[in-house]
Amino acid sequence: AQSVTQLDSQVPVFEEAPVELRCNYSSSVSVYLFWYVQYPNQGLQLLLKYLSGSTLVKGINGFEAEFNKSQTSFHLRKPSVHISDTAEYFCAVSALNTGGFKTIFGAGTRLFVKA
Amino acid sequence: NAGVTQTPKFRVLKTGQSMTLLCAQDMNHEYMYWYRQDPGMGLRLIHYSVGEGTTAKGEVPDGYNVSRLKKQNFLLGLESAAPSQTSVYFCASRYTYRDGNTEAFFGQGTRLTVV
Repeated sequence: AQSVTQLDSQVPVFEEAPVELRCNYSSSVSVYLFWYVQYPNQGLQLLLKYLSGSTLVKGINGFEAEFNKSQTSFHLRKPSVHISDTAEYFCAVSALNTGGFKTIFGAGTRLFVKA
Repeated sequence: NAGVTQTPKFRVLKTGQSMTLLCAQDMNHEYMYWYRQDPGMGLRLIHYSVGEGTTAKGEVPDGYNVSRLKKQNFLLGLESAAPSQTSVYFCASRYTYRDGNTEAFFGQGTRLTVV
């Protein structure tokens, strides 16, 4: 079985400050890891993903995340946030189960960027 | 390109009524998923399918049934709706490329209210 924990339900931050949204996962098999963003009343948009190779992955809108296998973490970072980054962010883990690839999401982190 | 299309977008049901949510994708993806999104709980996997004619249970399958008679369609059924099924429902389809790259595509969601 796999699980995902997003450690912060809400993160307030001032514009142009750096931000880190934390994600930990557990799985007994190899995983693929994803971060999605959801703007109000919209669906989910892929920010970035880790499949294999380099542990530092870069995504859209200036976001990046680092896969840490020993700490089973996949934290999302941005060096300087904008007001437009205000949204809810979801970490997801995908792993092969007996029924096929199952993708599980964390509970989400709401990022508030203040002027 | 339509991508992943969910119908209907909004629906209000009375307790005990039944309905079917339709998810259609035109990308020839093998994997399809149904999630529900509730405040503070992120997306929870209801059922998923790894190909035409197959279905598997996710995290919260009780009260729902699914069918994948055609590759492009994944139907989610509520036989006897309950207020606890008030939620926003998201469908996703997923493709894995030959190089192992994989990505999920989400519909815009169906907002269901059970009164």
